[in-house]
Amino acid sequence: DAGVTQSPTHLIKTRGQQVTLRCSPKSGHDTVSWYQQALGQGPQFIFQYYEEEERQRGNFPDRFSGHQFPNYSSELNVNALLLGDSALYLCASSPEGMNYGYTFGSGTRLTVV
Amino acid sequence: KNQVEQSPQSLIILEGKNCTLQCNYTVSPFSNLRWYKQDTGRGPVSLTIMTFSENTKSNGRYTATLDADTKQSSLHITASQLSDSASYICVVISSYNTDKLIFGTGTRLQVFP
Repeated sequence: DAGVTQSPTHLIKTRGQQVTLRCSPKSGHDTVSWYQQALGQGPQFIFQYYEEEERQRGNFPDRFSGHQFPNYSSELNVNALLLGDSALYLCASSPEGMNYGYTFGSGTRLTVV
Repeated sequence: KNQVEQSPQSLIILEGKNCTLQCNYTVSPFSNLRWYKQDTGRGPVSLTIMTFSENTKSNGRYTATLDADTKQSSLHITASQLSDSASYICVVISSYNTDKLIFGTGTRLQVFP
């Protein structure tokens, strides 16, 4: 039973570019959350998707957007990249209404140069 | 404001020694508390999940305690191993919003031979 899968594992982009990160939730999970973790910091909540809709959002600008597909997989899009967007981006999935089942992926390391 | 504070920020111990990490929170109303282990550049992995009624929970050499009255938790690591070197993050979930994890900033543990 695969856990949460994220791709790519590493990515280097130039300032101003756009990036798309992908996440496949654990089997049986239908809720996907995205987090940004800067080096040496705790994860910061970006947003959460359920039933293909954004259900909650953290304090991130509109440059950060997402999508959830009918198979529960999700994408995180970041436009007009800034140097400060360099971070580890984590995806976590859980079964709806069962937060005990929160499972994290290994993350995508994004470097903006 | 819901907060989770951890101490110490960093810790260095010798292999085979025990150590205890602390977590204090102000999150209310409380639902559950989790300890995660995060290796550098990887996603967090759950060690324990504790609800209001649980005082102690063990997972191998890891033992977590919870005092819901004083809003404190600790993670005790017994007979440390080199592979225990990682960041340990305390996460609290409020029953008011069970979809959002409130992260502490973590304790960076280094185990030396």
